[in-house]
Amino acid sequence: KAGVTQTPRYLIKTRGQQVTLSCSPISGHRSVSWYQQTPGQGLQFLFEYFSETQRNKGNFPGRFSGRQFSNSRSEMNVSTLELGDSALYLCASSFAGGRTNEKLFFGSGTQLSVL
Amino acid sequence: AQTVTQSQPEMSVQEAETVTLSCTYDTSENNYYLFWYKQPPSRQMILVIRQEAYKQQNATENRFSVNFQKAAKSFSLKISDSQLGDTAMYFCAFLNTGTASKLTFGTGTRLQVTL
Repeated sequence: KAGVTQTPRYLIKTRGQQVTLSCSPISGHRSVSWYQQTPGQGLQFLFEYFSETQRNKGNFPGRFSGRQFSNSRSEMNVSTLELGDSALYLCASSFAGGRTNEKLFFGSGTQLSVL
Repeated sequence: AQTVTQSQPEMSVQEAETVTLSCTYDTSENNYYLFWYKQPPSRQMILVIRQEAYKQQNATENRFSVNFQKAAKSFSLKISDSQLGDTAMYFCAFLNTGTASKLTFGTGTRLQVTL
C-alpha cells in the first residue's frame, strides 16, 4: 500500500505570490489534515478535511485555505505569501480522522521557502 | 486549550543504553490520547507509541515504553537498548477525542545516539 504522498517536496516562491500544495492520502483514507512546522512555532494544526468537508480548523489567517476532492486528495493554498510562511507543511491521513483508536499516517512534507 | 511541554531540547545516549524523554501536558479533558512521534532527517513523522488516557496500563512497543501518570499529567518515553537508527527528533503529542486529527505537539527533543 502506498503511503501518504506530498508534492512537491520543495518549493521556492517570492513574497506576494500564491502557492498550492498537494497531498494524496493512503488509499481508502477519507481524512486529511495539514500541519505547519517552523523552527519558531513548532508544529501547528492548520485544518482537517473529511469526505470533502472541512471538519476542523486551526488558528491561521484566511490566506490559508484548503479543499478535498472526491478521491480524498487534498490541496492547501496559501495566497499573498509572507516570509513567515516559510515552513515544512505536513499532511496526515487516516480512515476516520482520529475519532477512533486509529493511527495518523504522515507524509514527508513540502518544504516551502518564501524569498 | 491543551498545551504540551517538552523540557529537554536535546539529549544524547550511547548505543545500547536506556534514555528517557520527558513530556508534560495540560488539559481539562477526560478523554484523550497521547502519542510519541519520531521525525528522522527524512522529515516524515512516524508514530512510535500511543496511550489512551482511560487505560491505566502503560503502553509498550518493543524497545519503547511510556510512563503515563494521569494525575500528574506526565507522559515520558523510555527507549531501551538505543540504536543508531533512533537518532531523530521526538515529539510528544496530545489528541482530544472531541477534535479528531487536531494534534497538539510539544516543541520536540533532539535525540542523538552515539557509538
